[in-house]
Amino acid sequence: KQEVTQIPAALSVPEGENLVLNCSFTDSAIYNLQWFRQDPGKGLTSLLLIQSSQREQTSGRLNASLDKSSGRSTLYIAASQPGDSATYLCAVSRETSGSRLTFGEGTQLTVNP
Amino acid sequence: DTGVSQDPRHKITKRGQNVTFRCDPISEHNRLYWYRQTLGQGPEFLTYFQNEAQLEKSRLLSDRFSAERPKGSFSTLEIQRTEQGDSAMYLCASSSKGGGRVSYEQYFGPGTRLTVT
Repeated sequence: KQEVTQIPAALSVPEGENLVLNCSFTDSAIYNLQWFRQDPGKGLTSLLLIQSSQREQTSGRLNASLDKSSGRSTLYIAASQPGDSATYLCAVSRETSGSRLTFGEGTQLTVNP
Repeated sequence: DTGVSQDPRHKITKRGQNVTFRCDPISEHNRLYWYRQTLGQGPEFLTYFQNEAQLEKSRLLSDRFSAERPKGSFSTLEIQRTEQGDSAMYLCASSSKGGGRVSYEQYFGPGTRLTVT
């Protein structure tokens, strides 16, 4: 059974800091990995998707890396802003393409002005 | 706005009542997923459809839960004889090969918050 763990559970940083969120998964037979953002009481916004054959993806100030063999992914946020405050969720799908996502419990990020 | 819509956004019901939620996916997406999320946890998979066929169901989907996607477009999730433990956010997502930035990227709706009293 796939298990996804996110560390840390919560993180508070001053504005402008670069930060790294960590995600690990137990079964390396994944199809892809997605990072999401969730604001309180809202749905999920997809930030980045990395296919199992890829090593990283970038979008603006965000960079996600994937080391499939070791079961790890990181989300790097550069020059953090108060508007980045949210919960960040990591999710993986199984090698059977297009199937269910298994989520971690998320990292709650607070960026202080 | 991801393009996935859900209705209602909030539902308060008494224990024992039946409730039904609706999800409208992004129009060109052929796959539709339901997840449930409780406070402080990540979403948990319930079921998914490819067109009108229900291809996978989680063991979380007890016999009180039923989902349909009759014409391969919108989907409904019904919970019969609701229990307090059913209180959660119910999230719908859709995907399509080539429909997102990358194959099978899942796009989520705003969710339906269910409170069972």
